[in-house]
Amino acid sequence: GDSVTQMEGPVTLSEEAFLTINCTYTATGYPSLFWYVQYPGEGLQLLLKATKADDKGSNKGFEATYRKETTSFHLEKGSVQVSDSAVYFCALSDPNQGGKLIFGQGTELSVKP
Amino acid sequence: DAMVIQNPRYQVTQFGKPVTLSCSQTLNHNVMYWYQQKSSQAPKLLFHYYDKDFNNEADTPDNFQSRRPNTSFCFLDIRSPGLGDAAMYLCATSRVAGGGETQYFGPGTRLLVL
Repeated sequence: GDSVTQMEGPVTLSEEAFLTINCTYTATGYPSLFWYVQYPGEGLQLLLKATKADDKGSNKGFEATYRKETTSFHLEKGSVQVSDSAVYFCALSDPNQGGKLIFGQGTELSVKP
Repeated sequence: DAMVIQNPRYQVTQFGKPVTLSCSQTLNHNVMYWYQQKSSQAPKLLFHYYDKDFNNEADTPDNFQSRRPNTSFCFLDIRSPGLGDAAMYLCATSRVAGGGETQYFGPGTRLLVL
């Protein structure tokens, strides 16, 4: 079945450091890919998404490119802030499964001043 | 602002005592989802409604039921909560159930079972 694998956390960075969180997927169809962010004690918020190969999603300085050849959707940010501290979930949605979201295990990011 | 609202934010219940969690939305979306998220884990889909059509995940325990009386509201009923049901329960909505559709999440209800 479909699955998503993320790099394990926690990831601890200093403010203004470069961030990469790796995400790879397995899917039988042509999924859409998402990054959601969860701040402590809150629900999930969509950070960015891409719906087809080579699409780049971007928001709030975060970027991710849908790479079909490597089945990857790595999240990057050039300069992180303390306020970026959260748990980041990579997810896919397979149109053959009615839009159901399948999440990776989440990566906790902690940014220190 | 259009949004997904969950009440209560925290719910304490006793082992075996039925509990109901509620979700409402002002987005007028057709699809409503319930996810269970245990500590430090990814959300896991329990079931969803597309309009009035109920779709249960194969591995969702029978102890979990859902009702959607109208477009705006959806309820999660846990008939006999066990200690293992303590978790964050997330409600989400989407316009339709297509592959590229964004799901909008509520803040969640954290359930504690004593």
